[in-house]
Amino acid sequence: DAGVIQSPRHEVTEMGQEVTLRCKPISGHNSLFWYRQTMMRGLELLIYFNNNVPIDDSGMPEDRFSAKMPNASFSTLKIQPSEPRDSAVYFCASSLDGELTGELFFGEGSRLTVL
Amino acid sequence: DQQVKQNSPSLSVQEGRISILNCDYTNSMFDYFLWYKKYPAEGPTFLISISSIKDKNEDGRFTVFLNKSAKHLSLHIVPSQPGDSAVYFCAARWSGAGSYQLTFGKGTKLSVIP
Repeated sequence: DAGVIQSPRHEVTEMGQEVTLRCKPISGHNSLFWYRQTMMRGLELLIYFNNNVPIDDSGMPEDRFSAKMPNASFSTLKIQPSEPRDSAVYFCASSLDGELTGELFFGEGSRLTVL
Repeated sequence: DQQVKQNSPSLSVQEGRISILNCDYTNSMFDYFLWYKKYPAEGPTFLISISSIKDKNEDGRFTVFLNKSAKHLSLHIVPSQPGDSAVYFCAARWSGAGSYQLTFGKGTKLSVIP
């Protein structure tokens, strides 16, 4: 049973370039989350989709960040233009509403380095 | 303002002893709490959870305790094993919001020394 799949696993880019991170949630899950992990702030929620609709994007740092979920099996997180302070590990997670444990299933993350 | 706080960035414990990881929260609306474990270069994985209607939940070597009046929870691992060395994240959510989003602490890095 495939878990959450993220790509790329590693991305190194130069300041000002556009970065697109991709996520395929677990089949059948109807909630999708983008988190960012940094040493200073730990795991921060950036945006949350439910049934492909963005529900809470209050964690998106600024207008340079955007996220889409065109269908139930695919989401993107885009940074344009990228800056060195965006360097972090970006995690995608999915879950199924109503599950008793409320557990989120995380992908392996995309490590972004902006030079 | 951090709503979920893990004040110890790291903890070292001898193999076979008890590991106690602590977590405090400020939002009294939180009604469900989870612990996640993360190895390097991997995503966090679910470990154990507890509902606010309970004060203890046990799963094998792992026990989570919840003290609602103190807004404090702890994860006990006994006996600790070298394979338990990882970063542990405490997380909380408010079911009444109708969402399943989790608020995480910054994590505590546990090192179990053989």
